[in-house]
Amino acid sequence: DQQVKQNSPSLSVQEGRISILNCDYTNSMFDYFLWYKKYPAEGPTFLISISSIKDKNEDGRFTVFLNKSAKHLSLHIVPSQPGDSAVYFCAGPGEGGWGAGTKLIIKP
Amino acid sequence: DTGVSQNPRHKITKRGQNVTFRCDPISEHNRLYWYRQTLGQGPEFLTYFQNEAQLEKSRLLSDRFSAERPKGSFSTLEIQRTEQGDSAMYLCASNGKEDSPLHFGNGTRLTVT
Repeated sequence: DQQVKQNSPSLSVQEGRISILNCDYTNSMFDYFLWYKKYPAEGPTFLISISSIKDKNEDGRFTVFLNKSAKHLSLHIVPSQPGDSAVYFCAGPGEGGWGAGTKLIIKP
Repeated sequence: DTGVSQNPRHKITKRGQNVTFRCDPISEHNRLYWYRQTLGQGPEFLTYFQNEAQLEKSRLLSDRFSAERPKGSFSTLEIQRTEQGDSAMYLCASNGKEDSPLHFGNGTRLTVT
């Protein structure tokens, strides 16, 4: 039973615009969430996290929003850059599960 | 600190053979995790060690899979009698605290023919 879902397999965004990646979860007991970024032939690397007691966490061009009532979180990247092209995973804590990933393509 | 290291990067084996992968975590990390990732999916948790103790095992980890971390440093994942369905990327990760982000290696890609 998948506790974390990413329903968009891919997303294409123009360079300089905002990229919004979405994630839904089912377990209301999760106390934090993480976003990872993955380039081909590499392991995932940590990008940003958010505690369940917050509704927003910002780090430079990256902002994660958490809507607990909707059990939904989103990652905003602005402005999007070509180096942001990668697969982005949303994950719950521990063995809480990972989404299937969203492949972000930034068009020049 | 060279990060998490996994060997080999690629392994091609015939069905029925045994394979073993190695993971060297970041040296000061006492927690080590194994994940499996197939195409189009996110990493799936397999097992986790704190120091040398294996504390969690997913039901995905069948009897043919065994993991060890004998001295609390490097870990090995062995798959016996490989099946074609075992073909996947096997990822190792480590961290120092339960709620800190995972540091992943670049994985071992297994192809079972």
